[in-house]
Amino acid sequence: EVQLLESGGGLVQPGGSLRLSCEASQFSFHNYAMSWVRQAPGKGLEWVSAISASGESTYYADSVKGRFTLSRDNSKNTLSLQMNSLRAEDTALYYCAKDLGVDRYGYPDFDFGGQGTLVTVSA
Amino acid sequence: QSALTQPASVSGSPGQSITISCMGISSDFVNYKLISWYQQRPGKAPKLIIYEATERPSGVSNRFSGSKSGNTASLTISGLQTEDEADYYCCSYAGSSSTLYVFGAGTHVTVL
Repeated sequence: EVQLLESGGGLVQPGGSLRLSCEASQFSFHNYAMSWVRQAPGKGLEWVSAISASGESTYYADSVKGRFTLSRDNSKNTLSLQMNSLRAEDTALYYCAKDLGVDRYGYPDFDFGGQGTLVTVSA
Repeated sequence: QSALTQPASVSGSPGQSITISCMGISSDFVNYKLISWYQQRPGKAPKLIIYEATERPSGVSNRFSGSKSGNTASLTISGLQTEDEADYYCCSYAGSSSTLYVFGAGTHVTVL
């Protein structure tokens, strides 16, 4: 069973930074594209960012583009989301997710293997 | 690809069938089946229940089925059970060079 352990969330002031991590296990991490999906309190799901299996390609929602940077270390089975210039509207539970299969570009099939990490942006 | 439209809520009695629509998907994305559905129970992570518009992942009940037509995808839950009470989200490819995917606002299913 896919296991994804998100960490790094916490309370940060507006304009501050946080770095989220996702530690993957029980699958061949280097073969799969990965994404972050977030959910504001009491709200729906929002896709945030994705990275190709190799790490060469990254994609961002317009709401975070220019502020968030996604990277991965395939030698350590780890995904990282650097979040800068944080805003109140970035407050959410952040989920790490793997693609359902390999070479699934364009197919929104996510396997959520963890419980998320909570980011709260507040003064 | 703009936001996907789902009804805010749908309800049904145990044993009944209900259908949740997801409108506003590019017809090209519908044709290429770039659509999925997720179930999210309270306090839990989302769970993929339909991918490629009509396919069920291993382990998902066959009471869940997906369909597509024109600019709309639909999720049908047959033989409604109390455990089906949850939020359901559609998701589609967004087709932008930057933004890859877009979720619908979600539909809350109540089992009466």
